[in-house]
This record gives sequence, structure tokens and C-alpha cells, in this order.
Amino acid sequence: NAGVTQTPKFQVLKTGQSMTLQCAQDMNHEYMSWYRQDPGMGLRLIHYSVGAGITDQGEVPNGYNVSRSTTEDFPLRLLSAAPSQTSVYFCASSPLAGVLELYFGPGTRLTVT
Amino acid sequence: AQKITQTQPGMFVQEKEAVTLDCTYDTSDPSYGLFWYKQPSSGEMIFLIYQGSYDQQNATEGRYSLNFQKARKSANLVISASQLGDSAMYFCAMREGISSGYALNFGKGTSLLVTP
Repeated sequence: NAGVTQTPKFQVLKTGQSMTLQCAQDMNHEYMSWYRQDPGMGLRLIHYSVGAGITDQGEVPNGYNVSRSTTEDFPLRLLSAAPSQTSVYFCASSPLAGVLELYFGPGTRLTVT
Repeated sequence: AQKITQTQPGMFVQEKEAVTLDCTYDTSDPSYGLFWYKQPSSGEMIFLIYQGSYDQQNATEGRYSLNFQKARKSANLVISASQLGDSAMYFCAMREGISSGYALNFGKGTSLLVTP
């Protein structure tokens, strides 16, 4: 199993540009989520999904869109990038039964200039 | 309100010594899970240990143990026999049930440095 994969690993955007961060998992997990990590802030939840066709907002959803058309994929779209979105982005997935351990992707480091 | 509080921004410990990283949490949900993750300088998030709210025994995984005190709402991580490779950021996290969308809420982390 590849686990949770994210692309790209690094990205530099100019203010106002849009882009999509890709996330895929091959563990048949119902739950998928996106976090951003900023220095001194821990990880904060952006959006999450409990199954295909179902998404919801987390703690910091503004400026981001998600969709979940398949169980495997959960892309995160930045509509109009801002310097405040410079961060490290983690995708994570889990089953919805048992321990509910979250499996993390390797992260995407995004810089908005 | 902060759901997870880690009051130690940074900790030092000497190699082979034990160290306790503090974590307190806040929830009114009777069913929840507590997690500790390690993030080395390479950046990946590594799952260390889990404690369920109904578990009677403290969780242990090798050199890691979770000191779970439910009445005090604390879930401290104990690392025994510290190694240089334990130097990393450590995050405490709590996952509640469907009422919170199964969100995993993280503390701000504790940076641990193990010295020779």
C-alpha cells in the first residue's frame, strides 16, 4: 500500500493564483481531511469528509474548497492564493471504526509571494 | 476554547533519562480518543500511541506510555530511556465522535531535545 500520497511536495504561487493540492489514499478509508501547520500553531483542520459526496468545514476553511467524488481522492483547491496561506499542508485519512488513528501524507510546503 | 493544551513549548532531557510531556484536554463527550504524534525535523507525522476514553489501563507502546488521568483530563506522554533520535516536536491530539465530525484537534506541540 502507498498509504496517503500528496502532490506536489513544494509549490510557490503568486498572490491571486489558484491551484489544487492533490491527495489520494489506497486504504479504503471513509474519512479524509486537510490540515495546515503554521509555526507555533499546531495543526488546524481546514476541511474534512466522511465519505464520497460529503464534505464539511473545519476550523479554518476560508479561501479553500474541497470535493470528494471518490473514496480515494480528496483534492484541496486554493481559489485565489494569499500570503496568509503560506503553510505546510497535510492530508490525512482514517477509518470510521476502531481506534480512528489518522494516517498522514508527507505534506506539501506552499509559499505564496 | 482550546480543546488540547500543551503547556511546555520546549523540553530538554539527557540521553537514557525518562521525560514526561504534558497534555490536558477539554471535552464533554463521554467517548473520545487521545493520540500522541511525533514530528521529526524531516516533517512527517508519526503516530506513537492511543488511549480510548473507556480504556481502563494506561496505553503502552515500547518506550512510550500514556499516563491517563481521566478525572483531571490529562494524558501525559512518558518516554523512557530517551534516545538522541527522540528529538522532535510532539503533538497531543483528541478525537471526539460524530458530533464533532470526527475532527482530530491538536495541541500546539512540545519541542523535545535529547542531549548526549
